[in-house]
Amino acid sequence: AQTVTQSQPEMSVQEAETVTLSCTYDTSESNYYLFWYKQPPSRQMILVIRQEAYKQQNATENRFSVNFQKAAKSFSLKISDSQLGDTAMYFCAFMTPGNTGKLIFGQGTTLQVKP
Amino acid sequence: GAVVSQHPSRVICKSGTSVKIECRSLDFQATTMFWYRQFPKQSLMLMATSNEGSKATYEQGVEKDKFLINHASLTLSTLTVTSAHPEDSSFYICSVPKAGGRSDTQYFGPGTRLTVL
Repeated sequence: AQTVTQSQPEMSVQEAETVTLSCTYDTSESNYYLFWYKQPPSRQMILVIRQEAYKQQNATENRFSVNFQKAAKSFSLKISDSQLGDTAMYFCAFMTPGNTGKLIFGQGTTLQVKP
Repeated sequence: GAVVSQHPSRVICKSGTSVKIECRSLDFQATTMFWYRQFPKQSLMLMATSNEGSKATYEQGVEKDKFLINHASLTLSTLTVTSAHPEDSSFYICSVPKAGGRSDTQYFGPGTRLTVL
């Protein structure tokens, strides 16, 4: 069975600084998808970034980028130039192509961006 | 705009009553929808997969008689919490994979907060 682990329950960062959130996972699959989702106080889940395991290039979306280390089964999220609106809970998630839509989530990391 | 809606957004009920939560896809049809449960400050746990035209598939440890799922049409899935108890109080979220899009594209509803007194 696949598992996703986020070992940082809470983190904080000063506005405009850079922060990295950690995520490790365990799977025997060779092809899969990894995601970072943001859940602000509204509780609406928002996709931040996705990575396809067969792509070696790290995904980037504006201020958000990932460091995908397939051999180490690590998938960290870097947020550059942190903004107050980045304050939220962040979830790392895993999905295998055969289970489209069925996500396995990590425990979550609460990020506080301080002014 | 929102592509997945949930109704109600909040519900308070008495212990022993049943509560129905709806999940609708607004812009597309979906043969599959997913139901997650989230306790405060915790992760989302998949409860079940709602399948149009067939029975729902429940995750291990989820009581199928307790959490009834009906995929009534290609745009609607309902989750009914039967004989609710205070421990059922939680945040329930549905997600819908978008057919025809990337295989990993899916949309989340805004969630329903259930409080059982």
